[in-house]
Amino acid sequence: EEQLVESGGGLVQPGGSLRLSCAASGFTFSSYWMHWVRQVPGKGLMWVSRIKGDGSITTYADSVKGRFTISRDNAKNTLYLQMSSLRAEDTAVYYCVRMLDRDFWGQGTLVTVSS
Amino acid sequence: DIVMTQSPDSLAVSLGERATINCKSSQSVLSSSNNRNSLAWYQQKPGQPPKLLITWASTRESGVPDRFSGSGSGTDFTLTISSLQAEDVAVYYCTQYFNIPWTFGQGTKVEIK
Repeated sequence: EEQLVESGGGLVQPGGSLRLSCAASGFTFSSYWMHWVRQVPGKGLMWVSRIKGDGSITTYADSVKGRFTISRDNAKNTLYLQMSSLRAEDTAVYYCVRMLDRDFWGQGTLVTVSS
Repeated sequence: DIVMTQSPDSLAVSLGERATINCKSSQSVLSSSNNRNSLAWYQQKPGQPPKLLITWASTRESGVPDRFSGSGSGTDFTLTISSLQAEDVAVYYCTQYFNIPWTFGQGTKVEIK
């Protein structure tokens, strides 16, 4: 059974940092581009970042570029999102996604940026 | 960035009736390399992550009921639910994957009248 399980969310103060993890299982993780998509509770979806299967290519939304870093450890079947200089507007549920190519989403982890 | 605009923001349809959702992109998402539109539709039910319904504007994902269909090309797209069922109550999003950043429409909430 395929699974994507996010962790690492929580409450963080503005300007702080947080690292999200996504443990993948049930499929050949290294074969797929992986994405992070976020959603403010009750609002719409926003694509955040993606990384190629071998980790060689990464791209970001302008609003997070320079603050967020996507990475992966294919030996551990794990995707990461390192978030720094967090702002209130980064508050959202963050989904780990194998997007479009055998599309599959995790259940998400909530990040709350507040003092 | 390509801006995706959906209409309407919400609609209420009687069971068994047709529901139509429109999506307009600020620039064409038609790829010259494969002559396909890089446009997908997602369905999101409360408390759940989105579920992919359609890719390439009109290709239904495996297991998606055939009452869901997608159409359109270039900048104008439509998701049609031919006969609304109770389980179709959800928010629907279009998304383009033609350019980075991938962008979503604001969502259309479908309810039962």
